[in-house]
Amino acid sequence: EVQLVESGGGLVKPGGSLRLSCAASGFTFSNTWMSWVRQAPGKGLEWVGRIVKKTDGGTTDYAAPVKGRFTISRDDSKNTLYLEMNSLKIEDTAVYYCSGRGFWGQGTLVTVSS
Amino acid sequence: DIVMTQTPLSLSVTPGQPASISCKSSQSLLHSDGKTYLYWYLQKPGQSPQLLIYEVSNRFSGVPDRFSGSGSGTDFTLKISRVEAEDVGVYYCMQSIQLWTFGQGTKVEIK
Repeated sequence: EVQLVESGGGLVKPGGSLRLSCAASGFTFSNTWMSWVRQAPGKGLEWVGRIVKKTDGGTTDYAAPVKGRFTISRDDSKNTLYLEMNSLKIEDTAVYYCSGRGFWGQGTLVTVSS
Repeated sequence: DIVMTQTPLSLSVTPGQPASISCKSSQSLLHSDGKTYLYWYLQKPGQSPQLLIYEVSNRFSGVPDRFSGSGSGTDFTLKISRVEAEDVGVYYCMQSIQLWTFGQGTKVEIK
């Protein structure tokens, strides 16, 4: 059974940092392109970024609103995806989901507030 | 950036009746590999999104056959042949030919 479990969300002040994790199981993580998607309260889905598998170069791409502030990485030995978020803004408040192979985690809430 | 436009934005359906959602992309989603990278998701109340349809018309694992997808190029449709109470939620189309972009979402409720 495929499982994606996000963690690391919480309350952070504007300008602060947070690192989210996504633990994957039930599929070959190292062979999978992985993405982060967020959903602000009461709003639709917004793609955040992705990381391709290492055999395809391991490269990353980001949405314009987070480029230069967020960094996606992966540890294939731990089957874990990460999202490092810096210089957080109030508008980054959202539930953050990881996704791969059509499956999504349950999400983790990030609240940016003073 | 590719813009995805869904219509309608809300839909009220009688159980057992059909429903249809349209999705238009600002650029063709047909890749040179012959695949068309259009997906449909359903986000039920209080849940994370779940994949219904991939590459226009392929039902994902476990998705009931009352859901079907069609279309090509820039125009796509999701159809539910007979809506059931468990189908309520917000439906999103998504493209992945150029990174990912989602439509605004279509809220489906039961009459």
